[in-house]
Amino acid sequence: EAGVVQSPRYKIIEKKQPVAFWCNPISGHNTLYWYRQNLGQGPELLIRYENEEAVDDSQLPKDRFSAERLKGVDSTLKIQPAELGDSAVYLCASSLQGVSLSGYTFGSGTRLTVV
Amino acid sequence: GESVGLHLPTLSVQEGDNSIINCAYSNSASDYFIWYKQESGKGPQFIIDIRSNMDKRQGQRVTVLLNKTVKHLSLQIAATQPGDSAVYFCAEIGMDSSYKLIFGSGTRLLVRP
Repeated sequence: EAGVVQSPRYKIIEKKQPVAFWCNPISGHNTLYWYRQNLGQGPELLIRYENEEAVDDSQLPKDRFSAERLKGVDSTLKIQPAELGDSAVYLCASSLQGVSLSGYTFGSGTRLTVV
Repeated sequence: GESVGLHLPTLSVQEGDNSIINCAYSNSASDYFIWYKQESGKGPQFIIDIRSNMDKRQGQRVTVLLNKTVKHLSLQIAATQPGDSAVYFCAEIGMDSSYKLIFGSGTRLLVRP
């Protein structure tokens, strides 16, 4: 099993530019999460999907961040325009709702640097 | 490799010794607690979890203790190995079953050979 796959692994962009991250969850996992992890801190939830529906996006800065999960499988997270403070690691996770939390699996993340 | 965190509290232990990593959680209504291990350049990896109706749970070389009175969680690693070097996070999940993890501050574990 490949696990949660994210790309790219690293991204360096200039401020005010757009950027997108992609996530392929574990096959069959209906729940998908995007987290942001700032340096030296634990991850913080940005958005949660149940299938293709965003059921919790209360922490997503909607003025510049957007996400989609078409067909309830892969997901993209976009920032437009990026700001210096957006530099962080963006983690995707997936789970099978109702199953043991040991099945809640994170990808390796995309490290974003905004210069 | 890239660093998960440069200014985290650090626990340095000798290989073969036992390690104890502590965590204070915030929400007395949380139902589940999880310990994650995060190696450089990787996402958090599940280690062990415990429900709020338990005070101790053991896994392979790891034990989690939960003290709800003082909202404290600890992770004990027996016979610490070099491969245990990583940043460790505790996380809690609330009663609403949203599976939204709330992470605590991490601790960096360094294992001296």
